[in-house]
Amino acid sequence: GQQVMQIPQYQHVQEGEDFTTYCNSSTTLSNIQWYKQRPGGHPVFLIQLVKSGEVKKQKRLTFQFGEAKKNSSLHITATQTTDVGTYFCAGLGGTSYGKLTFGQGTILTVHP
Amino acid sequence: EPEVTQTPSHQVTQMGQEVILRCVPISNHLYFYWYRQILGQKVEFLVSFYNNEISEKSEIFDDQFSVERPDGSNFTLKIRSTKLEDSAMYFCASTIRYPDAGNTIYFGEGSWLTVV
Repeated sequence: GQQVMQIPQYQHVQEGEDFTTYCNSSTTLSNIQWYKQRPGGHPVFLIQLVKSGEVKKQKRLTFQFGEAKKNSSLHITATQTTDVGTYFCAGLGGTSYGKLTFGQGTILTVHP
Repeated sequence: EPEVTQTPSHQVTQMGQEVILRCVPISNHLYFYWYRQILGQKVEFLVSFYNNEISEKSEIFDDQFSVERPDGSNFTLKIRSTKLEDSAMYFCASTIRYPDAGNTIYFGEGSWLTVV
């Protein structure tokens, strides 16, 4: 079945440093979605990427979808303490009824 | 902003007992899902539901699990005989259309199930 791998598992940064998490799927995806989960919270939708090679930006966050639609990345510029949480990518396969396959997540801690 | 609501937020149950987790998806949504997240692990797909029937289910969703939409608004997940390993956060989610381009899947805040 479809697998989605995400690295790194943990990332500790000083406030102001950049952060990147990478996601790789074993199969070609219909789209990829990114979620943020605060400790004790639920996944909150950040963005969805659909097109091959797509790049989207949300303020300090930049999301990329690979040309082969199998990998993706999230980059945060100049992290802030409010960025703390777990960032999950989730891939949507081409033949599913909306089944998302989540990566393991990257836990981001930001030291002030 | 419309939201998916779930009850209870936390339930403790004895092993072997039946549990029903309830969800009210966003009102005009048509696709419904249950996911679970064991503490410290990733979110795992359990089941998708569309047009009053299961459209897809994972290996986790064995015959101890069932879902139904009894009244057109609630969407429930039943675990017939809970096991210790069922302890997890269960998330309900919904989307208005097939979740391809432009259609966001909205997650509820979760129901934390502890089996003792």
